[in-house]
Amino acid sequence: DGGITQSPKYLFRKEGQNVTLSCEQNLNHDAMYWYRQDPGQGLRLIYYSQIVNDFQKGDIAEGYSVSREKKESFPLTVTSAQKNPTAFYLCASSRGELFFGEGSRLTVL
Amino acid sequence: SQKIEQNSEALNIQEGKTATLTCNYTNYSPAYLQWYRQDPGRGPVFLLLIRENEKEKRKERLKVTFDTTLKQSLFHITASQPADSATYLCALDEAGGSARQLTFGSGTQLTVLP
Repeated sequence: DGGITQSPKYLFRKEGQNVTLSCEQNLNHDAMYWYRQDPGQGLRLIYYSQIVNDFQKGDIAEGYSVSREKKESFPLTVTSAQKNPTAFYLCASSRGELFFGEGSRLTVL
Repeated sequence: SQKIEQNSEALNIQEGKTATLTCNYTNYSPAYLQWYRQDPGRGPVFLLLIRENEKEKRKERLKVTFDTTLKQSLFHITASQPADSATYLCALDEAGGSARQLTFGSGTQLTVLP
């Protein structure tokens, strides 16, 4: 079935560590996105990419990095510079409306 | 400042009744408004899109209205069922079709009681 696959679903990080969240899509969409969701808040855009080898910062890009080497893949790295990384992370692709993955929950120990 | 407000954090209704969820916005001029459903611990799922020049959109038991004068969208679920229990998110698109421009509300948690 076509869709967005995120992994891992749960991830624990020690302070000072970088972690990478995987996002793969087989919908053949050009545009891909990373959002962060915190309790009681709307989804906030971290990074987005409209085409391979190009990506743009969203509203809360500080402390995060991405790459887009293949159309199907858009991994997100949460770096040690992100001061409050505990959150639910959602990857999406789009050809109009958004198609979301199942999310990755990151907890800092 | 720009703001999107969805009505009360939680809404409880009896099975069979119509649920009405509200999305109010200030200092936006959206070209589109979208509604998503999100179940606990899962990603949102797209439900409906309505354009600024459309007053109403329907899909099965769902109906969305869009009033640009009141700066408000209403989302209705008729003949509600316990399976409709979820969080519903509205999202505004100012750019006219680019998902980059989507801004999300914080959601309304709906519980349909049997």
